[in-house]
Amino acid sequence: KNEVEQSPQNLTAQEGEFITINCSYSVGISALHWLQQHPGGGIVSLFMLSSGKKKHGRLIATINIQEKHSSLHITASHPRDSAVYICAPASGGSYIPTFGRGTSLIVHP
Amino acid sequence: DTGVSQDPRHKITKRGQNVTFRCDPISEHNRLYWYRQTLGQGPEFLTYFQNEAQLEKSRLLSDRFSAERPKGSFSTLEIQRTEQGDSAMYLCASSLGTGFYEQYFGPGTRLTVT
Repeated sequence: KNEVEQSPQNLTAQEGEFITINCSYSVGISALHWLQQHPGGGIVSLFMLSSGKKKHGRLIATINIQEKHSSLHITASHPRDSAVYICAPASGGSYIPTFGRGTSLIVHP
Repeated sequence: DTGVSQDPRHKITKRGQNVTFRCDPISEHNRLYWYRQTLGQGPEFLTYFQNEAQLEKSRLLSDRFSAERPKGSFSTLEIQRTEQGDSAMYLCASSLGTGFYEQYFGPGTRLTVT
């Protein structure tokens, strides 16, 4: 079973700050998903990556397969970034993800 | 709207009753996943389909849970003899292809068992 740990669990920031959320997992994987969940439940996929780094707007995701670690960075954070961020690594041919508990981010204006 | 839809969005039922939830995936997506999410936790995988074939069902929480995708399009998740511990958000997601493609999530069905 893949154990997924996210840190921090809760994060409060001021608008404009650089944010980093970390994800570590215990089992070698094929790919990893970063997801965003807003209050009320809606989940949006941010990134799916299997190596290196991806960037989309102010969001950057990196992964180190050998170290079993991924990070999500938010540059110039904004109150609308307030949400829960969840990492979900997937291994094996079935690509069934295991989800972290999420990191709750609040960005104050 | 061409996203994933789920129906109903909310369901309140009494313990012991059966409930059925529906998920309509994005039309060209051949993979469909069901997850359960309880408060403060990440989603938990239940089962998934590749077209109409259910490829993994060992993680359904008990034999009271079953899922179908009869024609490879929409899917249903049924819970028989509901218990208070079944109260949760039930999420559906779909993806394109047989590898690890990006998953698109529906809004979820929130179940409350009284």
